[in-house]
Amino acid sequence: EAQVTQNPRYLITVTGKKLTVTCSQNMNHEYMSWYRQDPGLGLRQIYYSMNVEVTDKGDVPEGYKVSRKEKRNFPLILESPSPNQTSLYFCASRFGQSYEQYFGPGTRLTVT
Amino acid sequence: DAKTTQPPSMDCAEGRAANLPCNHSTISGNEYVYWYRQIHSQGPQYIIHGLKNNETNEMASLIITEDRKSSTLILPHATLRDTAVYYCIVRVNTNAGKSTFGDGTTLTVKP
Repeated sequence: EAQVTQNPRYLITVTGKKLTVTCSQNMNHEYMSWYRQDPGLGLRQIYYSMNVEVTDKGDVPEGYKVSRKEKRNFPLILESPSPNQTSLYFCASRFGQSYEQYFGPGTRLTVT
Repeated sequence: DAKTTQPPSMDCAEGRAANLPCNHSTISGNEYVYWYRQIHSQGPQYIIHGLKNNETNEMASLIITEDRKSSTLILPHATLRDTAVYYCIVRVNTNAGKSTFGDGTTLTVKP
């Protein structure tokens, strides 16, 4: 089954404790992206990657890192999480030039 | 990407057609109209897209006006499970660049 998976689905952590949210897709898509969603602010793009070893900032990249060492994986790294990064996070992927994106189920992160 | 305008909310009776409008008066010739929906806290789901012609798939129909300045997403027989936020996005097909979702329309299907 074609899908985007994210882990963990739920995470509660403390300020400053490094964490990684994994994202994997099995559709051989070149383009992958991370979004965060907050009440009243909608979906905002954090980082995107057009292919292996090619990443770029979205609209809200501060406090996040990403890497794209393999085509299927695009982890989101929070080196020193802060409470303002409490949010619902989505990973997405798409193939080529079409904007038909496939989204993961989401990761709900709480930073205390 | 062209700016889109959608009503913030709409209601629809179960079993009736839901017609969701989107205005995109500044759309350029090579920009497509894409529709997504997001059921509460789930990942957004692609529905349909089109350039000029009307499109239909198993989920919905997309009607684009001849001048391409507006479009309508039609859910022919809305069910309670169609209650969601619907996003209309206009952009060129490119493998580059940022991605932007607006505020969308919250569709509530009522029994």
